Amino acid sequence: GENVEQHPSTLSVQEGDSAVIKCTYSDSASNYFPWYKQELGKRPQLIIDIRSNVGEKKDQRIAVTLNKTAKHFSLHITETQPEDSAVYFCAAERMGNFNKFYFGSGTKLNVKP
Amino acid sequence: DTAVSQTPKYLVTQMGNDKSIKCEQNLGHDTMYWYKQDSKKFLKIMFSYNNKELIINETVPNRFSPKSPDKAHLNLHINSLELGDSAVYFCASVIRDGGFNEQFFGPGTRLTVL
Repeated sequence: GENVEQHPSTLSVQEGDSAVIKCTYSDSASNYFPWYKQELGKRPQLIIDIRSNVGEKKDQRIAVTLNKTAKHFSLHITETQPEDSAVYFCAAERMGNFNKFYFGSGTKLNVKP
Repeated sequence: DTAVSQTPKYLVTQMGNDKSIKCEQNLGHDTMYWYKQDSKKFLKIMFSYNNKELIINETVPNRFSPKSPDKAHLNLHINSLELGDSAVYFCASVIRDGGFNEQFFGPGTRLTVL
């Protein structure tokens, strides 16, 4: 099965700095990589995703990059703000008859004002 | 905000009891999931149902039994609760249209086993 590893487990940055969270996956057949943000006491929500036929995708201050050869993908948040503080989860999914979906272990991001 | 709903939001119970958590989605999605989030925030898939049919069972103890009466509902029944079952349980749903789509999560049910 798929194994998704995520680093770091915690990340503390100063407001305005950039934050980078990295994930690796083991199943080369995985072809969809979403990122979810979970604020304290709330449900995970999708913030950005990337498909395996794309190397990079950007949405305002967040971007995701994918290296299929190395089987790793990263989330980049620029100009961080206190409201970016949350737990971020990467995930990998393989399209098939019934998609299988696996989360990384999460990164707790703390943006200090 | 009620696209995926779960009841109850909090559940406190004694070891050995049997309890159920209910999930309903009004998005018209085909596939529903149960996830367990432990104290370290790790989100682990437990089950997935597609149109009332079980498609994923991730080696969950058979004390956990999901039931899907229709594609809008996926309930989770837990027998003989143990301390290690304490966690937040999230239900989620996704539409299956041949592509990749966002999973919509419910608000979670915090289960505490004493």
